[in-house]
Amino acid sequence: GNSVTQMEGPVTLSEEAFLTINCTYTATGYPSLFWYVQYPGEGLQLLLKATKADDKGSNKGFEATYRKETTSFHLEKGSVQVSDSAVYFCALSDNQGAQKLVFGQGTRLTINP
Amino acid sequence: EAQVTQNPRYLITVTGKKLTVTCSQNMNHEYMSWYRQDPGLGLRQIYYSMNVEVTDKGDVPEGYKVSRKEKRNFPLILESPSPNQTSLYFCASSPFGTVYNEQFFGPGTRLTVL
Repeated sequence: GNSVTQMEGPVTLSEEAFLTINCTYTATGYPSLFWYVQYPGEGLQLLLKATKADDKGSNKGFEATYRKETTSFHLEKGSVQVSDSAVYFCALSDNQGAQKLVFGQGTRLTINP
Repeated sequence: EAQVTQNPRYLITVTGKKLTVTCSQNMNHEYMSWYRQDPGLGLRQIYYSMNVEVTDKGDVPEGYKVSRKEKRNFPLILESPSPNQTSLYFCASSPFGTVYNEQFFGPGTRLTVL
């Protein structure tokens, strides 16, 4: 079945550092890929998405590129802020009837001033 | 404001005492879904509904029931809760028709079953 694997957390960085959170997936066909963010005490919010190979999703300074050859969708940001501290989830949708999102286990990110 | 609401936000109960977690959305979305979030496992889908009176099982449906009598509401029912259902629960909705659409999540319900 479909699955998503994220790098183990927690991740702790200093403000203005470069961020990479790795995400790889296993899926049949051509899934859509997503990054969701969960701030403390809140539900999940869509951060960015990509719907086909080589698409780049971007939002709030975050970027991720859909790499079909390496089955990856790594999240990057050039200069993180304290307000980026949250849990980040990589997810895929298999574009079939159930419209189900398959999530990775989540990566907790803490940014220190 | 477009949103998904859940109630209660926090609940502590005892084994076997039936409970219902409500979910409501004001965006006229056809699709609604329930997920549970557990440490190290991410979110897993419990049940989903593509429209009124249409529901189906997700990956972890055992011990749960749902109903979809109205488009805006999608309650999650635990007929006889057990400690392994202690978890953080999220309701989500999206317009149906394409999986590219964003799913909107509620704030979550933290359930503890003693």
